[in-house]
Amino acid sequence: DTGVSQDPRHKITKRGQNVTFRCDPISEHNRLYWYRQTLGQGPEFLTYFQNEAQLEKSRLLSDRFSAERPKGSFSTLEIQRTEQGDSAMYLCASSGRQGVSYEQYFGPGTRLTVT
Amino acid sequence: AQSVTQLDSHVSVSEGTPVLLRCNYSSSYSPSLFWYVQHPNKGLQLLLKYTSAATLVKGINGFEAEFKKSETSFHLTKPSAHMSDAAEYFCVVRDSSASKIIFGSGTRLSIRP
Repeated sequence: DTGVSQDPRHKITKRGQNVTFRCDPISEHNRLYWYRQTLGQGPEFLTYFQNEAQLEKSRLLSDRFSAERPKGSFSTLEIQRTEQGDSAMYLCASSGRQGVSYEQYFGPGTRLTVT
Repeated sequence: AQSVTQLDSHVSVSEGTPVLLRCNYSSSYSPSLFWYVQHPNKGLQLLLKYTSAATLVKGINGFEAEFKKSETSFHLTKPSAHMSDAAEYFCVVRDSSASKIIFGSGTRLSIRP
């Protein structure tokens, strides 16, 4: 399968613990995005990389959140000192230069439950 | 700023009848618009996209959407609903910076046998 993959698919953690998620984009894509989706809502943008450079961060991304894409391939999203409000589905997407649409391809997501 | 409004949070139709999912957009320039579908426990899948070419856009699984600038709408339609169409549908607009996309709140489509 050559789509976007995310690991783990599910994560249950206790409040205050740190968690890290991984995203592997489609190999030829240079852009990588993180979104968060809560129950009954559409995904909300968190941050975006072009190659290894983090070019934009949403105000939703508090200082407890950090994302990296060290070699311009896979990316990690870390949440420190998790809170119950962090419980959500975390989605990764990637895109490449395809005409002018930059359409994004999504992974299956990592569902985080903070107890 | 760009935004989309999905006018119905839930739509229920009988199998074999037409589907209409409504979306209005707000944009200060000619937008790029998309429809994505999300089946339970599956990832988001692109149904179709509009990028200033033909105003009637055909997508996968028999869905299509028409861009109407005068009405600032991009409604999703399908002539005949199938049970497998039951899912959450999101109308999406590309941000002016082209760095991210902005999702509507979603419309849950239910299909009655």
